[in-house]
Amino acid sequence: ETGVTQTPRHLVMGMTNKKSLKCEQHLGHNAMYWYKQSAKKPLELMFVYSLEERVENNSVPSRFSPECPNSSHLFLHLHTLQPEDSALYLCASSYGRRGNTEAFFGQGTRLTVV
Amino acid sequence: GDSVTQMEGPVTLSEEAFLTINCTYTATGYPSLFWYVQYPGEGLQLLLKATKADDKGSNKGFEATYRKETTSFHLEKGSVQVSDSAVYFCALSGSSGGSYIPTFGRGTSLIVHP
Repeated sequence: ETGVTQTPRHLVMGMTNKKSLKCEQHLGHNAMYWYKQSAKKPLELMFVYSLEERVENNSVPSRFSPECPNSSHLFLHLHTLQPEDSALYLCASSYGRRGNTEAFFGQGTRLTVV
Repeated sequence: GDSVTQMEGPVTLSEEAFLTINCTYTATGYPSLFWYVQYPGEGLQLLLKATKADDKGSNKGFEATYRKETTSFHLEKGSVQVSDSAVYFCALSGSSGGSYIPTFGRGTSLIVHP
């Protein structure tokens, strides 16, 4: 248990569905991240929210939409996904501007797009 | 920008063998350095870290020393076990480029046979 909780753990969705991934942390962190992990590929940073800024990876398609209503919760809204979006989606949090501290990861959501 | 380079895997060893996974980095200033481990079906978890030059991080028999002169942070363990089979990620954050956002290597898969 790392203190970062992701739900659901597994998700199967059709290409026309809309779903959301949820991430929650109560570690007092002020930065939260979404990563995509595909087989045989490096970790891909998708989005970052911190007190100071929101950072987006410009290569992430618009069918992925993040939302961060407060410093403890982070969502990833999914719509009209493609089969190549099937991957493990990891949420992480850290102390943001205190850059020498580690990131804490959730267990991930295994997404399958059919 | 910051970058982390890890040796390609998979690394395949017999139980009780000596392990080295090489990691080198490019960053300005004095970043903190980390090793994370990911067991099958799980998220990443911190294995060890070092925050300044010549520091040695250690945990569960694993060690890594922050070498500023060679910009390296190699992971070592004297005697691996089957339960060490996992993917290992080298990472940095907090370079003087200012970014708190972690930069990860591609990961190295370790397979330990009985």
